[in-house]
Amino acid sequence: IQLTQSPSLLSASVGDRVTLSCKGSQNINNYLAWYQQKLGEAPKLLIYNTNSLQTGIPSRFSGSGSGTDYTLTISSLQPEDVATYFCYQYNNGWTFGGGTKLELK
Amino acid sequence: EVQILETGGGLVKPGGSLRLSCATSGFNFNDYFMNWVRQAPGKGLEWVAQIRNKNYNYATYYAESLEGRVTISRDDSKSSVYLQVSSLRAEDTAIYYCTRKGVDWGQGVMVTVSS
Repeated sequence: IQLTQSPSLLSASVGDRVTLSCKGSQNINNYLAWYQQKLGEAPKLLIYNTNSLQTGIPSRFSGSGSGTDYTLTISSLQPEDVATYFCYQYNNGWTFGGGTKLELK
Repeated sequence: EVQILETGGGLVKPGGSLRLSCATSGFNFNDYFMNWVRQAPGKGLEWVAQIRNKNYNYATYYAESLEGRVTISRDDSKSSVYLQVSSLRAEDTAIYYCTRKGVDWGQGVMVTVSS
């Protein structure tokens, strides 16, 4: 399964509602996770099984979707959210999307 | 506290081999599947391999792009997982991460393939 993330680069302001997209080449059956990776750090799991928030992750992060189309939403962007975000499917093999780089406007 | 530490990286000539190690603590290693994921400089994440636990007969899975050149193994007595990579190419240059079920990650180990 191939994952396509869009946009590849997103500029937004503090307080904005931000939406990142991840589209699979096949049905992912909700086996979709989202990771945040800051420069020089290992990825951090934010969301698993489409919409389950990992322990310790702020509630401004949420996930949704079904079938082939999935979304990560940040309800109110904070400066510390500047990072690259990757989606990851584990329904059929294991695949990462190409990433969305989120920067402050 | 879960701790994951990868070692064994470095500079390797094309065609060479490398064995990466991942030592873990803070959880019952025997219960978990373990994965290796890599990231080429400035690029995205690429899943490399998975090894399941004893309950699943230590089944192994590999990325198609690497199959035949990589071997994942584990030693439950040492709470450690390993990745052997052979016939190394420049495009294998990457940070290699060890991860427990995609939840906990090590800081990664750099592998550079260059003459």
